[in-house]
Amino acid sequence: DAGITQSPRHKVTETGTPVTLRCHQTENHRYMYWYRQDPGHGLRLIHYSYGVKDTDKGEVSDGYSVSRSKTEDFLLTLESATSSQTSVYFCAIREADTEQFFGPGTRLTVL
Amino acid sequence: SQKIEQNSEALNIQEGKTATLTCNYTNYSPAYLQWYRQDPGRGPVFLLLIRENEKEKRKERLKVTFDTTLKQSLFHITASQPADSATYLCALRSNTGNQFYFGTGTSLTVIP
Repeated sequence: DAGITQSPRHKVTETGTPVTLRCHQTENHRYMYWYRQDPGHGLRLIHYSYGVKDTDKGEVSDGYSVSRSKTEDFLLTLESATSSQTSVYFCAIREADTEQFFGPGTRLTVL
Repeated sequence: SQKIEQNSEALNIQEGKTATLTCNYTNYSPAYLQWYRQDPGRGPVFLLLIRENEKEKRKERLKVTFDTTLKQSLFHITASQPADSATYLCALRSNTGNQFYFGTGTSLTVIP
């Protein structure tokens, strides 16, 4: 398995609180992605990174920010969580024109 | 708007038969298309990649076709087994960037 981990794996939080999810890789891959997966919508891209300090928005970026200060870590932050952000979040990594390797996911519940 | 559709939410087939899953897209010019398998509670796992200039790709019991005129990819699993039961996702990479767009998936159940 590709060396990619996500933390925490499960989180329950309240509306209005900040939340940070972490994705860590040991593969030195250039690209890192954050997706959310919801019933009926499939996987949707939130943000992605193409290098240290280089990030770009995906199709559902509103309410989320990201940071990548090191090759191995990609952080996803919900500044003020809302119930609509209850979802399963997946991180993925990729090197050049190859497949994406996905992490195990983080199940986030916003009450 | 951009859209990726997978033929049905659920597909049930008898063991030993060939499963055929469909991925249709509109308003994309994909550089390539990928197929992933996802088991409950886990992240997707890559299966096959097919580029815009390729018609067909095979890997063991898996076969993928890609028709850019029809804007469609077909994913076949031959001699299906109960262990093939999972959700299968197609994904496009646009030729204008590094973003990927996923279909909602087809849940396949292979009945012994």
